[in-house]
Order: sequence, then C-alpha cells, then structure tokens
Amino acid sequence: AQTVTQSQPEMSVQEAETVTLSCTYDTSESDYYLFWYKQPPSRQMILVIRQEAYKQQNATENRFSVNFQKAAKSFSLKISDSQLGDAAMYFCAYSGPWGEYSGGGADGLTFGKGTHLIIQP
Amino acid sequence: DTGVSQNPRHKITKRGQNVTFRCDPISEHNRLYWYRQTLGQGPEFLTYFQNEAQLEKSRLLSDRFSAERPKGSFSTLEIQRTEQGDSAMYLCASSPGANGNTIYFGEGSWLTVV
Repeated sequence: AQTVTQSQPEMSVQEAETVTLSCTYDTSESDYYLFWYKQPPSRQMILVIRQEAYKQQNATENRFSVNFQKAAKSFSLKISDSQLGDAAMYFCAYSGPWGEYSGGGADGLTFGKGTHLIIQP
Repeated sequence: DTGVSQNPRHKITKRGQNVTFRCDPISEHNRLYWYRQTLGQGPEFLTYFQNEAQLEKSRLLSDRFSAERPKGSFSTLEIQRTEQGDSAMYLCASSPGANGNTIYFGEGSWLTVV
C-alpha cells in the first residue's frame, strides 16, 4: 500500500518569509498524482497545488511551488511571501493511476498526517 | 458551482444510536468519496462511488457502516449502533472522474458519540 509521510508536525514562519514543507511517499507505480491540500480552522480541505508524476516540470501556483524529486519520492511545498491567511494544516496526498471503471485498487487519496503551519506576524 | 455540501455539520448522539449523513456532490461529478478524519490525523479513505456503483470500500468500513448513492447524485453514510470510537469528522468529496482529477471536499460532518 502507498504511504505518505510528513515529518514536520508543526512549522512556524515569519510573515513575508518563505517556508518549505516536506513530504515523502512510497509507491511502486510510475504514473501517479501528488497534491498539497490546505485545511484552515474552518476545516474545509482546499486544493493548493497538484503535480502529475509524468511531468518533470515542478508545478507552481502563484506563491506556492513544489519541488518534485521522483527518484527520491519527495514532494515538498514552498510557500513564498507567507501571509497570515496561509496559517492552516497542510496535507500532502497521493493518488495512484486508475481508469474510469477500475473496480478495485483505486483507493482515492492517501494523506500524510499533516503539518501545522503557524504564521508569526 | 455550489461546491460539495454536507449535512448535518454537527451531530451529537448517544452510543448505540444510528446516525445518517448526507452529501451532495458538485453537479455532474460522477465520483463521490467518503473519508474519515480524527483530530491530529489526515483523512482516511472509507469508500467511493462511480455514479451509483460503490466500487471500493476500505477495511475501515465495518459492517456497521453503509453508504449509498441511489441515483448517482447525492450520497448517504449511515452508522448503526454508534460507538465512541466513531467520533470523527466525516468528509465527503467529489471529482469529475478522469485519471488524476482534482478531488473537491465538503466542509465535513462532525460526529460526537457520547
């Protein structure tokens, strides 16, 4: 089974600075998808960024970017110019390859335990 | 796009009672998922539907849990004979259904069993 590991239970950063959240995963697949989700105190999970494993180019979304190292099975999230609104739990998630009617083996998203990001004003 | 809607948002029940949660996915999303999240943990997959067919169930989904999606639109998750260990946030999510599509989550239904 796939596993996702987030080794940083909590991170703290000064407002306007840059922070990197770590994520490693384990899979025997070659084609898969990786995601970072944000869960603010209101608790709705919001997609931050996604990466297709077959793409070598790292995904970016405004102030959010990833460092995807496929061989090392590493998928870190960099947040630039941190803002108070970035404070939340951040979850790394893995999704394996699946077809339209896979009928089995498709287990949705596998999440890490999360990193609590604190933004210091 | 109204997003994924879940209700009730909060439910307190006595041990042994049955509870039912409802999820309305984003319209035209044919995949629907249920996850469970406890404090300090990431969500754990419970089950998913492709239209009305329940295609995968986690071993976390004991016999006391049942999920349905009768017409391929909304879904219900019922927990029978609730136990204190069932206390958690139950998250519903939906996706359009192609490979690697983004999964969109609802705000969750928080269950407390006393």
